[in-house]
Amino acid sequence: SQQGEEDPQALSIQEGENATMNCSYKTSINNLQWYRQNSGRGLVHLILIRSNEREKHSGRLRVTLDTSKKSSSLLITASRAADTASYFCAIQGAQKLVFGQGTRLTINP
Amino acid sequence: GAGVSQSPSNKVTEKGKDVELRCDPISGHTALYWYRQSLGQGLEFLIYFQGNSAPDKSGLPSDRFSAERTGGSVSTLTIQRTQQEDSAVYLCASYFLGQGPYGYTFGSGTRLTVV
Repeated sequence: SQQGEEDPQALSIQEGENATMNCSYKTSINNLQWYRQNSGRGLVHLILIRSNEREKHSGRLRVTLDTSKKSSSLLITASRAADTASYFCAIQGAQKLVFGQGTRLTINP
Repeated sequence: GAGVSQSPSNKVTEKGKDVELRCDPISGHTALYWYRQSLGQGLEFLIYFQGNSAPDKSGLPSDRFSAERTGGSVSTLTIQRTQQEDSAVYLCASYFLGQGPYGYTFGSGTRLTVV
């Protein structure tokens, strides 16, 4: 299946700590994207990493991609209460964009 | 418009009735997706439109589901003879192929409840 699989399914940390979420997939990809979802409604695009890239940064976000292991990780540094949300990786193959099941991140004050 | 607009935001319908969900993508966006998300679950791909190409309908769960995109813009997802298991949030996303390393823009979704 092209679907990404996130790990862990749920993560709870203290404010200020770093949060790491992982995504594994099984097929070749054009790019891999990470999204955030608050309150079970619309998703917000966070970052896109192409298959020929290994690492990208955006503010407190750092994404890595290892195509040999077919895996990606999302690191959120210095977490804040507002980072509490569900995070999804999405695999872009030749055509459609397919999402994983997500990681539910809770930041405790 | 500035974003992807979906209507209605909430819909409660009786089992067996038909419903239509609407998506207005960002003007000029050539790609449009429909996804379904059940409570606490990931996004389930339903259908994908890209320009004038034939849509990818491989994710539609049954022949009760259909979608069309008129004039390469507005899309309507129709569910006939709704069942309780159709209850979910239906999300639409659009994208301009070739716009660069940007992601998809999602609407806020339609929460469908079948009673």
